[in-house]
Amino acid sequence: GDSVTQKQGQVTLSEDDFLFINCTYSTTTYPTLFWYVQYPGQGPQLLLKVTTANNKGISRGFEATYDKGTTSFHLQKASVQESDSAVYFCALAPSYGNEKITFGAGTKLTIKP
Amino acid sequence: NTKITQSPRYLILGRANKSLECEQHLGHNAMYWYKQSAEKPPELMFLYNLKQLIRNETVPSRFIPECPDSSKLLLHISAVDPEDSAVYFCASSQTTDSGNTLYFGEGSRLIVV
Repeated sequence: GDSVTQKQGQVTLSEDDFLFINCTYSTTTYPTLFWYVQYPGQGPQLLLKVTTANNKGISRGFEATYDKGTTSFHLQKASVQESDSAVYFCALAPSYGNEKITFGAGTKLTIKP
Repeated sequence: NTKITQSPRYLILGRANKSLECEQHLGHNAMYWYKQSAEKPPELMFLYNLKQLIRNETVPSRFIPECPDSSKLLLHISAVDPEDSAVYFCASSQTTDSGNTLYFGEGSRLIVV
């Protein structure tokens, strides 16, 4: 079955640091890849998604490239702010419909002021 | 996020019966119930498309979903167990086609005492 792996359970940075969150996936389909962000007390919300291999998604200063060769979809941001503190979920939707999205375990990002 | 409303927001139960309610104002065809336990990603419980139940994950029989119309979703819970303590999110998407974005409500936190 499909799987998504996020190796980092927690990341702690200072403001203006560079962010890199690791995500790799496994699937036999041609998936759509997502990053969802969950702020405290809220439901997850879409940060960005990419439907085509080798394309890049960009949103609010975050970016992720759908790398079919390395089956990765790492999240990056050049300069983080305290307001970026949240849990980030990498997720995969298979290419056929009526199927559930597979979420990674999540990475909790804490930004120190 | 007032586009998907959930009630109640907090629920403390001691083996009583209760129902969670959700309404989406996005005109979406698909509605979902997810369970999120502490420090875990959301887990799909049920998926409705155009009021039809099309995915029913391995969920205890004490959880019974209901979709009275395309914009409303209910989750009836009977004789709760301590393992049911979690946040229950309602979500919706335009369709169940691959790659559709999920829109989550703010969740109903269930505490079993």
